[in-house]
Amino acid sequence: SQQGEEDPQALSIQEGENATMNCSYKTSINNLQWYRQNSGRGLVHLILIRSNEREKHSGRLRVTLDTSKKSSSLLITASRAADTASYFCATGQGGKLIFGQGTELSVKP
Amino acid sequence: KAGVTQTPRYLIKTRGQQVTLSCSPISGHRSVSWYQQTPGQGLQFLFEYFSETQRNKGNFPGRFSGRQFSNSRSEMNVSTLELGDSALYLCASSLEGLGTGELFFGEGSRLTVL
Repeated sequence: SQQGEEDPQALSIQEGENATMNCSYKTSINNLQWYRQNSGRGLVHLILIRSNEREKHSGRLRVTLDTSKKSSSLLITASRAADTASYFCATGQGGKLIFGQGTELSVKP
Repeated sequence: KAGVTQTPRYLIKTRGQQVTLSCSPISGHRSVSWYQQTPGQGLQFLFEYFSETQRNKGNFPGRFSGRQFSNSRSEMNVSTLELGDSALYLCASSLEGLGTGELFFGEGSRLTVL
């Protein structure tokens, strides 16, 4: 069963705009990870945030984690056409990593 | 450092046949996990192997099996293929295992069952 639920399922924006994706989960976690997948390819790890962290940055990516609300968000600033992909959150707990259904991001030039 | 390699990349089988997929992890990684990805079900966890032992298993029928060799390479096998087994099968490796750190994914093996 899927642990994470992502919102929105699809997002379409213009180049230069910011994109925000949200992930909610149900049980306690050790960490939460975000991955990106270009169409039909393997997943690429973007960022990992531990349960005792609240915010983390990596380049144009900003991830927040609110364990009291069991939710996380991924913000991509100044988006580019090359950011077009599916983005997945994954929750790590008890020797498992469970992926959400993903958000399809389309960035139009 | 070479990435995770999956073979074959594409294959077509017919119902009732069996298939074996291979995954070579990043050198030094002891954990290999497998996922099935379909448009309807998303990414579903199949199993994880760590130092040749199956450490975790998802909710798949016994037709799905796997193993890991002493060099950490892993194979998964699906017997008596069904149409619903058509999917992208992804393998991922990591140093310490699921839930602890990042996974490194291969490009996947796309299986079509006719």
